[in-house]
Amino acid sequence: GAVVSQHPSWVICKSGTSVKIECRSLDFQATTMFWYRQFPKQSLMLMATSNEGSKATYEQGVEKDKFLINHASLTLSTLTVTSAHPEDSSFYICSALKPGALQETQYFGPGTRLLVL
Amino acid sequence: QKEVEQDPGPLSVPEGAIVSLNCTYSNSAFQYFMWYRQYSRKGPELLMYTYSSGNKEDGRFTAQVDKSSKYISLFIRDSQPSDSATYLCAMSLYGNNRLAFGKGNQVVVIP
Repeated sequence: GAVVSQHPSWVICKSGTSVKIECRSLDFQATTMFWYRQFPKQSLMLMATSNEGSKATYEQGVEKDKFLINHASLTLSTLTVTSAHPEDSSFYICSALKPGALQETQYFGPGTRLLVL
Repeated sequence: QKEVEQDPGPLSVPEGAIVSLNCTYSNSAFQYFMWYRQYSRKGPELLMYTYSSGNKEDGRFTAQVDKSSKYISLFIRDSQPSDSATYLCAMSLYGNNRLAFGKGNQVVVIP
């Protein structure tokens, strides 16, 4: 199997505060992790690719100073939403890339629901 | 034209029926095809993973890929209420780990 965890599972914060979300691969090492955002009844929107030991690669339109990503080890990536505002409220999901026989496969975490008041 | 097209549904079926889901895509270079299941308020769970054209079966689930038609399918036999979820198709290029997702298809299995 391939287990990916996220913490916290949900968080409520006041506008202007920063929130850190952790993504961990529990039973494999992942040099690459991804961060997604999902709105209700919508598909996943890729925000950034997190690479262990190097800077993250952000998708067009995603503010890198707003969404700070740190991939400190082969099993942990963090996403920090800085100075959060109500429009940042969303479901944030990470995935970790696990090596496979043919191609690496993404395994997803359970998601973190963020509500900014 | 979107890269991956998937009818969002919802699709309602009685328990025990066969669920048939499909996606079409425009990029003929896609080589890897996946189906993910996502329960409400949860992250996607990998169900099936196939490479190139052909069929793959795993228990009640069968995935089909027809590269000539740029069409993939997922069949769920003997559907159960616990199969009620959103099913996302996803695909990627050889040597590229970025996934192109369909919108997701909501399935409701009625007891």
